[in-house]
Amino acid sequence: QKEVEQNSGPLSVPEGAIASLNCTYSDRVSQSFFWYRQYSGKSPELIMSIYSNGDKEDGRFTAQLNKASQYVSLLIRDSQPSDSATYLCAVKSRTGGGNKLTFGTGTQLKVEL
Amino acid sequence: DAGVTQSPTHLIKTRGQQVTLRCSPKSGHDTVSWYQQALGQGPQFIFQYYEEEERQRGNFPDRFSGHQFPNYSSELNVNALLLGDSALYLCASSLGLTLNTGELFFGEGSRLTVL
Repeated sequence: QKEVEQNSGPLSVPEGAIASLNCTYSDRVSQSFFWYRQYSGKSPELIMSIYSNGDKEDGRFTAQLNKASQYVSLLIRDSQPSDSATYLCAVKSRTGGGNKLTFGTGTQLKVEL
Repeated sequence: DAGVTQSPTHLIKTRGQQVTLRCSPKSGHDTVSWYQQALGQGPQFIFQYYEEEERQRGNFPDRFSGHQFPNYSSELNVNALLLGDSALYLCASSLGLTLNTGELFFGEGSRLTVL
């Protein structure tokens, strides 16, 4: 079982729709969760972080965390063509110290006109 | 305010050669981590440096080594290159060893091609 799992996609949504990206993780002691956006050929850019159960909203983005189900998601409202990118879910475990992040393989999002 | 800078941006090597990649952290940051991202994959943690010491290491062979200098900049060295080492090498910087606020900043990466 992979430590962090994501559907590779591509996930295609029409412009203006809600895009829903999902991620599951295997380490129950994981404490911090992050969503990065990566455009083709570019480096990852942090867009959301979440540390406690529930929802966290930032503009058009909402991160949702359910530690009991070991599940984290990202909702993008009013999707725009500029949101087309690969979205990486990353998890930091409480074990091992430091700030190592374990990434999923990413979900490719395509927002169509 | 300079972000994370990496050099070189692209390089081509042949099997068996050695390569050194360089990273300067974001201003005010003292911790550097290195990640390898193969095509179509998520970044994989190689190791992390803080106070000039390797603090945490991922599942990479000893061919991968690093160094951190007193000015917090860092180098990643890969010896005896294999075709499978072809990837985007990402440097990320942060302040200290905790990551409570998610403040891990990535550089634009060094794309290594091994022929």
